[in-house]
Amino acid sequence: DGGITQSPKYLFRKEGQNVTLSCEQNLNHDAMYWYRQDPGQGLRLIYYSQIVNDFQKGDIAEGYSVSREKKESFPLTVTSAQKNPTAFYLCASSQVLKPQHFGDGTRLSIL
Amino acid sequence: QKEVEQDPGPLSVPEGAIVSLNCTYSNSAFQYFMWYRQYSRKGPELLMYTYSSGNKEDGRFTAQVDKSSKYISLFIRDSQPSDSATYLCAMSQSSNSGYALNFGKGTSLLVTP
Repeated sequence: DGGITQSPKYLFRKEGQNVTLSCEQNLNHDAMYWYRQDPGQGLRLIYYSQIVNDFQKGDIAEGYSVSREKKESFPLTVTSAQKNPTAFYLCASSQVLKPQHFGDGTRLSIL
Repeated sequence: QKEVEQDPGPLSVPEGAIVSLNCTYSNSAFQYFMWYRQYSRKGPELLMYTYSSGNKEDGRFTAQVDKSSKYISLFIRDSQPSDSATYLCAMSQSSNSGYALNFGKGTSLLVTP
Protein backbone atom coordinates (compact mmCIF):
# COMPACT_ATOMS: atom_id res chain seq x y z
CA ASP A 1 0.00 0.00 0.00
CA GLY A 2 1.78 3.13 -1.26
CA GLY A 3 1.96 6.28 0.76
CA ILE A 4 3.87 8.74 2.88
CA THR A 5 4.71 7.87 6.47
CA GLN A 6 5.58 10.53 9.00
CA SER A 7 6.84 9.71 12.46
CA PRO A 8 6.42 10.28 15.27
CA LYS A 9 2.84 11.54 15.34
CA TYR A 10 3.57 13.70 18.41
CA LEU A 11 6.96 15.07 19.49
CA PHE A 12 8.10 17.23 22.37
CA ARG A 13 11.20 19.38 22.36
CA LYS A 14 13.13 20.65 25.33
CA GLU A 15 14.89 24.02 25.39
CA GLY A 16 18.15 23.92 23.40
CA GLN A 17 17.42 20.54 21.88
CA ASN A 18 17.47 19.50 18.22
CA VAL A 19 14.75 17.09 17.11
CA THR A 20 14.37 15.16 13.86
CA LEU A 21 11.10 14.40 12.12
CA SER A 22 10.99 11.40 9.84
CA CYS A 23 9.35 11.24 6.40
CA GLU A 24 9.40 8.12 4.23
CA GLN A 25 7.59 7.52 0.94
CA ASN A 26 7.18 4.39 -1.16
CA LEU A 27 5.52 6.11 -4.11
CA ASN A 28 8.78 6.33 -6.09
CA HIS A 29 8.35 10.11 -6.23
CA ASP A 30 11.37 12.24 -7.12
CA ALA A 31 10.36 15.41 -5.24
CA MET A 32 9.76 15.77 -1.51
CA TYR A 33 8.69 18.77 0.56
CA TRP A 34 8.34 19.95 4.15
CA TYR A 35 5.62 22.38 5.20
CA ARG A 36 4.73 23.97 8.48
CA GLN A 37 1.07 24.59 9.37
CA ASP A 38 0.05 27.06 12.06
CA PRO A 39 -3.54 27.92 13.00
CA GLY A 40 -4.86 30.62 10.70
CA GLN A 41 -1.62 30.68 8.68
CA GLY A 42 -2.05 27.98 6.08
CA LEU A 43 0.86 25.86 4.91
CA ARG A 44 4.29 27.43 4.54
CA LEU A 45 7.19 25.77 2.71
CA ILE A 46 10.31 24.99 4.74
CA TYR A 47 12.50 22.97 2.36
CA TYR A 48 12.06 20.95 -0.80
CA SER A 49 14.14 18.46 -2.76
CA GLN A 50 13.73 17.48 -6.40
CA ILE A 51 16.45 14.82 -6.52
CA VAL A 52 18.67 12.87 -4.15
CA ASN A 53 21.53 14.84 -2.59
CA ASP A 54 19.99 18.17 -3.57
CA PHE A 55 17.55 20.45 -1.73
CA GLN A 56 16.47 24.09 -1.68
CA LYS A 57 15.26 26.46 1.00
CA GLY A 58 11.64 27.44 1.06
CA ASP A 59 10.04 30.53 2.54
CA ILE A 60 10.81 29.79 6.21
CA ALA A 61 14.01 27.69 6.27
CA GLU A 62 15.72 29.48 9.17
CA GLY A 63 16.18 27.17 12.15
CA TYR A 64 15.60 24.01 10.11
CA SER A 65 17.84 21.58 8.25
CA VAL A 66 17.23 18.62 5.93
CA SER A 67 19.06 15.85 4.12
CA ARG A 68 18.15 13.73 1.09
CA GLU A 69 20.50 10.74 1.02
CA LYS A 70 17.88 8.33 -0.30
CA LYS A 71 15.03 8.86 -2.74
CA GLU A 72 12.43 7.60 -0.28
CA SER A 73 13.56 9.57 2.78
CA PHE A 74 13.61 13.29 3.61
CA PRO A 75 14.13 13.92 7.35
CA LEU A 76 13.67 17.38 8.84
CA THR A 77 15.68 18.59 11.84
CA VAL A 78 14.24 21.37 13.95
CA THR A 79 17.26 23.00 15.54
CA SER A 80 17.52 24.99 18.75
CA ALA A 81 17.83 28.10 16.55
CA GLN A 82 14.12 27.79 15.67
CA LYS A 83 12.62 29.87 18.46
CA ASN A 84 8.97 29.12 17.75
CA PRO A 85 8.88 25.46 16.71
CA THR A 86 5.40 24.57 17.97
CA ALA A 87 3.42 23.65 14.86
CA PHE A 88 2.00 20.84 12.72
CA TYR A 89 4.67 19.64 10.28
CA LEU A 90 3.62 18.08 6.99
CA CYS A 91 5.74 16.15 4.53
CA ALA A 92 4.69 15.77 0.90
CA SER A 93 5.98 14.12 -2.24
CA SER A 94 5.26 14.29 -5.96
CA GLN A 95 6.49 13.54 -9.40
CA VAL A 96 7.65 16.62 -11.30
CA LEU A 97 4.70 18.79 -12.41
CA LYS A 98 2.25 16.47 -10.65
CA PRO A 99 0.15 17.19 -7.54
CA GLN A 100 1.70 16.71 -4.13
CA HIS A 101 0.52 14.01 -1.76
CA PHE A 102 0.81 14.47 1.97
CA GLY A 103 1.54 12.40 5.04
CA ASP A 104 -0.52 12.70 8.21
CA GLY A 105 1.87 15.07 9.93
CA THR A 106 3.87 15.39 13.12
CA ARG A 107 2.70 17.71 15.87
CA LEU A 108 5.68 19.30 17.64
CA SER A 109 5.32 20.99 21.01
CA ILE A 110 7.69 22.63 23.47
CA LEU A 111 8.15 21.15 26.94
CA GLN B 1 -0.81 41.39 -0.65
CA LYS B 2 -0.85 37.64 -0.14
CA GLU B 3 -0.45 35.64 -3.35
CA VAL B 4 -3.44 33.43 -2.54
CA GLU B 5 -6.50 34.67 -0.64
CA GLN B 6 -9.13 32.36 0.82
CA ASP B 7 -11.96 33.18 3.21
CA PRO B 8 -11.38 31.14 6.39
CA GLY B 9 -15.07 30.83 7.22
CA PRO B 10 -16.39 28.94 9.06
CA LEU B 11 -19.08 28.05 6.56
CA SER B 12 -22.07 26.13 7.89
CA VAL B 13 -24.62 24.53 5.56
CA PRO B 14 -27.43 21.97 5.94
CA GLU B 15 -27.00 18.50 4.53
CA GLY B 16 -27.86 18.34 0.82
CA ALA B 17 -26.90 21.96 0.11
CA ILE B 18 -24.60 23.05 -2.70
CA VAL B 19 -21.37 24.45 -1.30
CA SER B 20 -19.24 27.02 -3.08
CA LEU B 21 -15.64 27.57 -1.97
CA ASN B 22 -13.42 30.18 -3.58
CA CYS B 23 -9.88 31.52 -3.82
CA THR B 24 -8.39 34.53 -5.53
CA TYR B 25 -4.77 34.96 -6.48
CA SER B 26 -2.45 37.69 -7.68
CA ASN B 27 0.28 35.84 -9.59
CA SER B 28 -0.74 35.49 -13.24
CA ALA B 29 2.02 32.88 -13.74
CA PHE B 30 0.09 30.24 -11.78
CA GLN B 31 -0.94 27.42 -14.10
CA TYR B 32 -1.67 24.44 -11.84
CA PHE B 33 -4.59 24.58 -9.43
CA MET B 34 -5.53 22.12 -6.71
CA TRP B 35 -8.08 21.65 -3.98
CA TYR B 36 -7.23 19.66 -0.89
CA ARG B 37 -9.49 18.48 1.93
CA GLN B 38 -8.04 18.29 5.42
CA TYR B 39 -9.70 16.60 8.36
CA SER B 40 -8.66 17.55 11.87
CA ARG B 41 -5.20 16.23 12.84
CA LYS B 42 -4.70 14.72 9.39
CA GLY B 43 -2.69 15.63 6.32
CA PRO B 44 -4.35 17.30 3.30
CA GLU B 45 -5.92 14.93 0.81
CA LEU B 46 -5.95 15.86 -2.89
CA LEU B 47 -9.50 16.34 -4.20
CA MET B 48 -9.17 18.08 -7.55
CA TYR B 49 -6.34 19.04 -9.88
CA THR B 50 -6.67 21.27 -12.94
CA TYR B 51 -4.26 22.79 -15.37
CA SER B 52 -4.93 26.27 -16.78
CA SER B 53 -8.54 27.45 -17.19
CA GLY B 54 -11.77 25.52 -17.40
CA ASN B 55 -13.95 23.14 -15.43
CA LYS B 56 -13.34 19.67 -14.08
CA GLU B 57 -15.93 17.39 -12.54
CA ASP B 58 -15.43 14.36 -10.32
CA GLY B 59 -18.54 12.91 -8.72
CA ARG B 60 -20.09 15.53 -6.44
CA PHE B 61 -17.13 17.90 -6.86
CA THR B 62 -16.59 20.48 -9.61
CA ALA B 63 -13.53 22.69 -9.87
CA GLN B 64 -13.53 25.88 -11.93
CA VAL B 65 -10.60 28.06 -12.91
CA ASP B 66 -11.00 31.55 -14.37
CA LYS B 67 -7.51 32.80 -15.12
CA SER B 68 -8.74 36.10 -16.55
CA SER B 69 -10.28 36.95 -13.17
CA LYS B 70 -7.59 35.09 -11.15
CA TYR B 71 -10.36 33.19 -9.39
CA ILE B 72 -10.88 29.51 -8.66
CA SER B 73 -13.87 27.71 -7.19
CA LEU B 74 -14.80 24.33 -5.79
CA PHE B 75 -18.46 23.28 -5.80
CA ILE B 76 -19.76 20.42 -3.70
CA ARG B 77 -23.20 19.09 -4.64
CA ASP B 78 -25.47 17.20 -2.26
CA SER B 79 -23.17 17.98 0.65
CA GLN B 80 -22.84 15.34 3.39
CA PRO B 81 -21.78 15.59 7.06
CA SER B 82 -18.66 13.65 6.05
CA ASP B 83 -17.69 16.67 3.90
CA SER B 84 -17.12 18.68 7.10
CA ALA B 85 -13.43 19.58 6.95
CA THR B 86 -11.07 22.38 6.02
CA TYR B 87 -10.67 22.93 2.28
CA LEU B 88 -7.37 24.31 1.03
CA CYS B 89 -6.77 25.76 -2.40
CA ALA B 90 -3.24 25.53 -3.78
CA MET B 91 -1.57 26.65 -6.94
CA SER B 92 1.80 26.65 -8.63
CA GLN B 93 3.71 27.87 -11.60
CA SER B 94 5.92 25.63 -13.65
CA SER B 95 9.54 26.62 -13.27
CA ASN B 96 12.99 25.10 -13.13
CA SER B 97 13.34 26.28 -9.55
CA GLY B 98 10.78 23.77 -8.33
CA TYR B 99 7.15 22.98 -8.01
CA ALA B 100 6.37 24.39 -4.60
CA LEU B 101 2.71 25.05 -3.90
CA ASN B 102 1.22 28.33 -2.73
CA PHE B 103 -1.64 27.62 -0.36
CA GLY B 104 -4.65 29.59 0.76
CA LYS B 105 -5.27 29.58 4.51
CA GLY B 106 -8.18 27.17 4.15
CA THR B 107 -11.96 27.41 4.57
CA SER B 108 -13.58 25.49 7.42
CA LEU B 109 -16.82 23.80 6.30
CA LEU B 110 -19.46 22.29 8.57
CA VAL B 111 -22.31 20.29 7.05
CA THR B 112 -25.09 19.77 9.58
CA PRO B 113 -27.50 16.79 9.40
